[in-house]
Amino acid sequence: EVQLVESGGGLVQPGGSLRLSCAASGFTFSSYWMHWVRQAPGKGLVWVSRINSDGSSTSYADSVKGRFTISRDNAKNTLYLQMNSLRAEDTAVYYCARDWRRYYDSWGQGTLVTVSS
Amino acid sequence: DIQMTQSPSSLSASVGDRVTITCQASQDISNYLNWYQQKPGKAPKLLIYDASNLETGVPSRFSGSGSGTDFTFTISSLQPEDIATYYCQQYDNLPVTFGQGTKLEIK
Repeated sequence: EVQLVESGGGLVQPGGSLRLSCAASGFTFSSYWMHWVRQAPGKGLVWVSRINSDGSSTSYADSVKGRFTISRDNAKNTLYLQMNSLRAEDTAVYYCARDWRRYYDSWGQGTLVTVSS
Repeated sequence: DIQMTQSPSSLSASVGDRVTITCQASQDISNYLNWYQQKPGKAPKLLIYDASNLETGVPSRFSGSGSGTDFTFTISSLQPEDIATYYCQQYDNLPVTFGQGTKLEIK
């Protein structure tokens, strides 16, 4: 069974940092591109970042470019999102999602990031 | 960026009704259009990929159609368990973009 389990969310002050993790199991993690998608409270889905299967190519939404870094460790079957210089508008549930031929066929349960003083 | 205009933003219908949601892209996205269902407090779930393909295990009352810029999502006979918010998504180009969502309620 495919499983994606996010962790690392929490309360952080503006300007602070957090690193999210997404542990993958039940499939060959190193074969898939992966994404982070976020959802602010009561709002819609917003794409954050994408990484290819071997980690050599990454892309970011303009709103997080220069502040967030996506990475992966295929030996540990884990996806990461390093978030620096956090702002109140980064408050959201963050989901990792598996990319299969340009659609997300599996999602994690999400981890909540709250940026507040 | 490709803008996805989804309508309506909310919809109230009765059990057994046929429900239709539309999604319009700001430019041609071929058939790179997907539909997701999200129930409160849960992660989104893929229902339709590549505009018209039903994901494995998804009931056949769900369907999708369209290509280019105009797409339609249909529930042929609304069931109580279909209460959720539905999102379209384009993945023709980065950034991936979503419609604003359609909140479906039972009348």
